[in-house]
Amino acid sequence: EDKVVQSPLSLVVHEGDTVTLNCSYEVTNFRSLLWYKQEKKAPTFLFMLTSSGIEKKSGRLSSILDKKELFSILNITATQTGDSAVYLCAVGRGSTLGRLYFGRGTQLTVWP
Amino acid sequence: EAGVAQSPRYKIIEKRQSVAFWCNPISGHATLYWYQQILGQGPKLLIQFQNNGVVDDSQLPKDRFSAERLKGVDSTLKIQPAKLEDSAVYLCASSLQGVGVSPLHFGNGTRLTVT
Repeated sequence: EDKVVQSPLSLVVHEGDTVTLNCSYEVTNFRSLLWYKQEKKAPTFLFMLTSSGIEKKSGRLSSILDKKELFSILNITATQTGDSAVYLCAVGRGSTLGRLYFGRGTQLTVWP
Repeated sequence: EAGVAQSPRYKIIEKRQSVAFWCNPISGHATLYWYQQILGQGPKLLIQFQNNGVVDDSQLPKDRFSAERLKGVDSTLKIQPAKLEDSAVYLCASSLQGVGVSPLHFGNGTRLTVT
């Protein structure tokens, strides 16, 4: 059975801390791994990873994929209160039109 | 670029009633998805369209849920009759191509409460 597991499920930090969110997967015919940020509405796209070992970076956020060990991490440095959200990991399988499997998400709370 | 539009934003109905949700994807996006997100869980795919054809509806409860995408643009998702366990946020998403090539862009969702 295909599955995507995120850890931790919740995390509370103070502004300025660095956090690492984890996503492991067991999906046949892996195609891609995506990270989304969800506040009180629509998930917004952060990164799409298809190749191992290549870090993607956007400001204070970065992510990397390990296709051998079947996991990805999302790093956020110098956290701010605006980073408080649920971070969702999703894995695409099969053909380019294959299904996207989501994990349950990590609830990140950043205190001032 | 205009995002994915969904309506209504909120809907409260009684069990056994029917409800419909509407989605307008980003212009030019061939692939359209309906997801169900129950509180505390990740989104679960209900149905996926490529243009006006169904690609994947294996997780759609077909005895009560139906969806269509006439003309390959707008889409509607219907529930009839609704059950208490259908209470969730229904998210519509679109992508230029499939999950291996381009990311999904989500609408703000419709929060459904079934009482």
